[in-house]
Amino acid sequence: EAGVTQFPSHSVIEKGQTVTLRCDPISGHDNLYWYRRVMGKEIKFLLHFVKESKQDESGMPNNRFLAERTGGTYSTLKVQPAELEDSGVYFCASSQGPGQPQHFGDGTRLSIL
Amino acid sequence: GENVEQHPSTLSVQEGDSAVIKCTYSDSASNYFPWYKQELGKRPQLIIDIRSNVGEKKDQRIAVTLNKTAKHFSLHITETQPEDSAVYFCAAGRDNYGQNFVFGPGTRLSVLP
Repeated sequence: EAGVTQFPSHSVIEKGQTVTLRCDPISGHDNLYWYRRVMGKEIKFLLHFVKESKQDESGMPNNRFLAERTGGTYSTLKVQPAELEDSGVYFCASSQGPGQPQHFGDGTRLSIL
Repeated sequence: GENVEQHPSTLSVQEGDSAVIKCTYSDSASNYFPWYKQELGKRPQLIIDIRSNVGEKKDQRIAVTLNKTAKHFSLHITETQPEDSAVYFCAAGRDNYGQNFVFGPGTRLSVLP
């Protein structure tokens, strides 16, 4: 079974530009989560999809971040315009359903110059 | 909301010794406590989890204990090996439809040969 895959693995962009991160969850997993780890600190929750619906987006930092999951399969996280403080590693995770463990992807390392 | 603290932030042990990492949480409604191991440059991997209806769970050299009254839980690794070196994250959340975890800041464990 393929795990959670994220693309790209690394992205380096300049302040003010736009970047889109992609996450493909494990097939059949309705629950998809985005997390961010900044500067070696804790992994912070951003938002949670159940199929195509946003279940909880309380962790999204501001309106420069837009997450979508059209069709309930893969998800994208767009940052527009990117700011210096957005640098970090963005992780995606998925789980099959209630009470099931979350499986993480390798993350996307985002660097804003 | 939930707040998770984790100690120590760094831990060095000799190969063969035991390692203990402790976490505390604030939300008494949290009932699911996973532990993730992240090796350098790799994805966080679930290594063990515990639900609030049990006080201890063991899987080979790894065990987790939970004290609901005191709101703390601990990871115990016995007979440590160099490959146990990694950053370990604890998390707390509700085992309902969603599992919005709050992670601790992580413990960097170094096992010295």
